[in-house]
Amino acid sequence: DAGVIQSPRHEVTEMGQEVTLRCKLISGHNSLFWYRQTMMRGLELLIYFNNNVPIDDSGMPEDRFSAKMPNASFSTLKIQPSEPRDSAVYFCASSPRYTGELFFGEGSRLTVL
Amino acid sequence: QQQVKQSPQSLIVQKGGISIINCAYENTAFDYFPWYQQFPGKGPALLIAIRPDVSEKKEGRFTISFNKSAKQFSLHIMDSQPGDSATYFCACTSGTYKYIFGTGTRLKVLA
Repeated sequence: DAGVIQSPRHEVTEMGQEVTLRCKLISGHNSLFWYRQTMMRGLELLIYFNNNVPIDDSGMPEDRFSAKMPNASFSTLKIQPSEPRDSAVYFCASSPRYTGELFFGEGSRLTVL
Repeated sequence: QQQVKQSPQSLIVQKGGISIINCAYENTAFDYFPWYQQFPGKGPALLIAIRPDVSEKKEGRFTISFNKSAKQFSLHIMDSQPGDSATYFCACTSGTYKYIFGTGTRLKVLA
């Protein structure tokens, strides 16, 4: 299996622009996580989906952030409008079950100027 | 109650030495304690994990020691190698999807 696939790997954008990050889960996994990693705050859970349904979005910073899972294998995280403080590495992770091992993608490094 | 305190923040070890990273937690409901290894430019990957019904788990050169009464657990890397240079994260969870991650330890093993 190719593992969790994220795109783009790097994104540089200007403040106010819309950013869309994409994630393809490992086949057969039914849990999907979006994490944000920064030096200051470490790994933060943004949102968790189970069987395509958002279960916990309490970590989403504000209304500028939204996430969707249109099918069992694909998810997007959108930031609109983006701000410099959104600069971070965003990881998608999937798991074969509710409490299983997390399989992380290689991350999307976002820089907002 | 949800915090996990990890130390040290960074660690430099000579090749062949022992690397030790510690984590302390507060929530006694936690029942699964994984360690994740992250190389630069990559996502974290599960290294080894333990449940509180045992005090130690060993996989190759990697060992987790668990002290339930002290609410502490540690990762020991024996015969540390330059290829072990990475950032290590401890984590805790209580049978749910919510992992509480430590702040990470950047390990550098000198050749």
